[in-house]
Amino acid sequence: ETGVTQTPRHLVMGMTNKKSLKCEQHLGHNAMYWYKQSAKKPLELMFVYSLEERVENNSVPSRFSPECPNSSHLFLHLHTLQPEDSALYLCASSQDRRTRAEQYFGPGTRLTVT
Amino acid sequence: AQSVTQLGSHVSVSEGALVLLRCNYSSSVPPYLFWYVQYPNQGLQLLLKYTTGATLVKGINGFEAEFKKSETSFHLTKPSAHMSDAAEYFCAVSPPGNQFYFGTGTSLTVIP
Repeated sequence: ETGVTQTPRHLVMGMTNKKSLKCEQHLGHNAMYWYKQSAKKPLELMFVYSLEERVENNSVPSRFSPECPNSSHLFLHLHTLQPEDSALYLCASSQDRRTRAEQYFGPGTRLTVT
Repeated sequence: AQSVTQLGSHVSVSEGALVLLRCNYSSSVPPYLFWYVQYPNQGLQLLLKYTTGATLVKGINGFEAEFKKSETSFHLTKPSAHMSDAAEYFCAVSPPGNQFYFGTGTSLTVIP
């Protein structure tokens, strides 16, 4: 595997379900990000991890819970979601958050909440 | 506050015609600037970036962009559109600090 991978690519879940999105980067980067991409809206930065420490949480509802067990893996745990949470969830990584290096994106997980 | 404006949420060009996608930013200090492309059902892929130095930046797939400080712009161009260029294009800026700001995207349609 190369670059940034995400699983699953598609996920349909009910509002009472619990599921997790997984992201893995094979680039040796130190920073990882979760974004939400909804139609007709700018990319929304959700969480930022730098060296496995969460450094940013942009007022994201608690029904989204990130986890970064090591610098290569990032999870987004989901529970009791709402239909408006349906979107494409993108994971990204960069060499070092402080140097404004470009971000590399995974293919995304298309989430549908029913 | 930082912002990125992409004029035109939809742009259509004929195959072989010039592609021009506009991006303007607001920042008190010249930021780093990026263009990304997103094909259907895929993530964002970096096309090109400007950090410092030469203001005309060449990227992949024949695209280039020019940083114009006086106009606070970073427009993306390609001399001759190809059918495979049909995609969503995002401009992004990174001012001093640790944040990336993305535009709302421009959907490019290439007409055969």
